[in-house]
Parts: sequence; C-alpha cells; structure tokens
Amino acid sequence: DGGITQSPKYLFRKEGQNVTLSCEQNLNHDAMYWYRQDPGQGLRLIYYSQIVNDFQKGDIAEGYSVSREKKESFPLTVTSAQKNPTAFYLCASGYGGRAKNIQYFGAGTRLSVL
Amino acid sequence: SQELEQSPQSLIVQEGKNLTINCTSSKTLYGLYWYKQKYGEGLIFLMMLQKGGEEKSHEKITAKLDEKKQQSSLHITASQPSHAGIYLCGADGYGGSQGNLIFGKGTKLSVKP
Repeated sequence: DGGITQSPKYLFRKEGQNVTLSCEQNLNHDAMYWYRQDPGQGLRLIYYSQIVNDFQKGDIAEGYSVSREKKESFPLTVTSAQKNPTAFYLCASGYGGRAKNIQYFGAGTRLSVL
Repeated sequence: SQELEQSPQSLIVQEGKNLTINCTSSKTLYGLYWYKQKYGEGLIFLMMLQKGGEEKSHEKITAKLDEKKQQSSLHITASQPSHAGIYLCGADGYGGSQGNLIFGKGTKLSVKP
C-alpha cells in the first residue's frame, strides 16, 4: 500500500532528552513536511524539504532538527531545547510547488512529556 | 503574513441536515485545499480549488471558491454521522516558505443521529 508512515503513534519524552519521530513515504514524492498541531491552533510548519539533502526552517523550527538523506525518509528530532514539546506531530509529503500543492498526511505522532 | 479564518469554530447538526463551513483568506488564494481530520488521526485530502468561481463535488460534499478568490465554502448535504470530524482549509503559503500550506484552525463538526 502506498502512503506515509509515522512512528511511533505515541511517544514520551523525559526532561533533557532528545527524541526522534520517524516519517517514511513510498509515494515517490519530492517534498516532505513536518507540522505541529496544538488544540485550537491549527497546524504550524516546523521544517520542510523539497529535495534530498536540503531542507528549510518553517515558522516554528526552534528546538527541532531534521535530516533528509533519502527521498523516502524525513525524521524529526525534538531536542531538549524545545521547552514545550507536548503536541500532535504530523508529517506530510507532496510534489511541492505552488498552486497544485496537494499534501498527503501520515497518521501522526502524539508526543507527551513525562 | 497570510491568514485563514474558518467559521464556525464548531457546529452541531442533526443527521440529515445541510451545513456550510467557510474559509476566508486575508490574501488572494492561488490554491485552496480542504481536508478532514478525525480526532487523533492524520488529515485526509478532500478537494483542491484553484480558479475563481470553481466548484467541485465529491459524494455529498461540495466546495466552492468565490470569484475574487478570497473565500471558500464547504457544503455538506444531508449530513451523516460519518461526516463528523474536523474540517480544515489550507492555502499555498507565502512569505518565503515556498511549497508549504497555511492552515485555518479548523471547524469541528458533530452530527447527532
């Protein structure tokens, strides 16, 4: 089945710990995105990548890091510098480009702080 | 920066009733996307609108983009419990974040049997 797989579904972070959220797609999409969703706030862009080995910061990149070594994979690391990491994290992929930018989403990872 | 305002924030309707959700942009829309989200799950793509006056339908859901391309509406006819969820509109982002989408805060729809 083609699609986007996020893992794990639930994740708990201890104080001072870095955690990594996985995102894999087999849709052959060039672009991949990470969004954060908080209650009542909609989705906010953390990082995005239009091509392998290249990525750009979104609106709320502080405290997060990413890599794009393979077209299929775009992992997100939530570092200890992110003081309020509790949220629902969504990964998406698409062909990129404006005005025909349909993005397809994974099922999400819910991150909580212990 | 571009903003998308959705209304209403939440909606409770009786099964079988029609309803409309609105999405208004502070700037001209060059691509408007409707998604549906069940609580705790990812977003499911519904429809994309690009041209002023464009209208698209899928099953009992119709989406329209106004002629000025600053407002879109999502209309559900004869609502069913399966329509319940959060509906989000998204638009192609500006301000340097090329390729990303800006999202509204969502409209939570509940359908009472």
